[in-house]
Amino acid sequence: EIVLTQSPATLSLSPGERATLSCRASQSVSSYLAWYQQKPGQAPRLLMYDASNRATGIPARFSGSGSGTDFTLTISSLEPEDFAVYYCQQRSNTFGQGTKLEIE
Amino acid sequence: QVQLVESGGGLVKPGGSLRLSCAVSGFTFSDYYMSWIRQAPGKGLEWVSYISRSGDIISYADSVEGRFTISRDNAKNSLYLQMNSLRAEDTAVYYCARDNVDIVALDYWGQGTLVTVSS
Repeated sequence: EIVLTQSPATLSLSPGERATLSCRASQSVSSYLAWYQQKPGQAPRLLMYDASNRATGIPARFSGSGSGTDFTLTISSLEPEDFAVYYCQQRSNTFGQGTKLEIE
Repeated sequence: QVQLVESGGGLVKPGGSLRLSCAVSGFTFSDYYMSWIRQAPGKGLEWVSYISRSGDIISYADSVEGRFTISRDNAKNSLYLQMNSLRAEDTAVYYCARDNVDIVALDYWGQGTLVTVSS
């Protein structure tokens, strides 16, 4: 079973700053990695697929990179609505444990 | 627009059973794999199961294998999760999601239904 490890667990930043979230797989998942955003009381929303492709309607400030075992989600300049929990997922099954992006 | 609406959650005693449903609209249901994902209170997301377009390919997480059964009725645009031998650790919000194999991601989600297993 492939394990996804996200870091950091919590990231404290201010609006306007750059956020970098990491997801590491225990073995190669090629580029089959997706990122989701979840706000309190809401269902998750797909942000990125195939590691670097933005889903429909996702702003350009979100970008993804990586392949194999190491992946990064970057938010270039944080907006107030970006503070949430972010999950990575491989091949539509295993999820990482999440990174909480909070306002500093 | 795409909509997924879960139902069937509630309070059940340990060892009991529950059947969740997910009614979909806004897309051709039979063209897509579908998945169930759950989230225990205050915890992260856990993939539970997926089913192929015709139902001939099914997979389960180890934590539910042998106790849960996923199924679908393409004529009714509905996805199901039969949950038996429920345990306290199955307490969670259960989401259904469209599993888009073209992009290998869950591109639409329902709002979830809460299952509470407690005596």
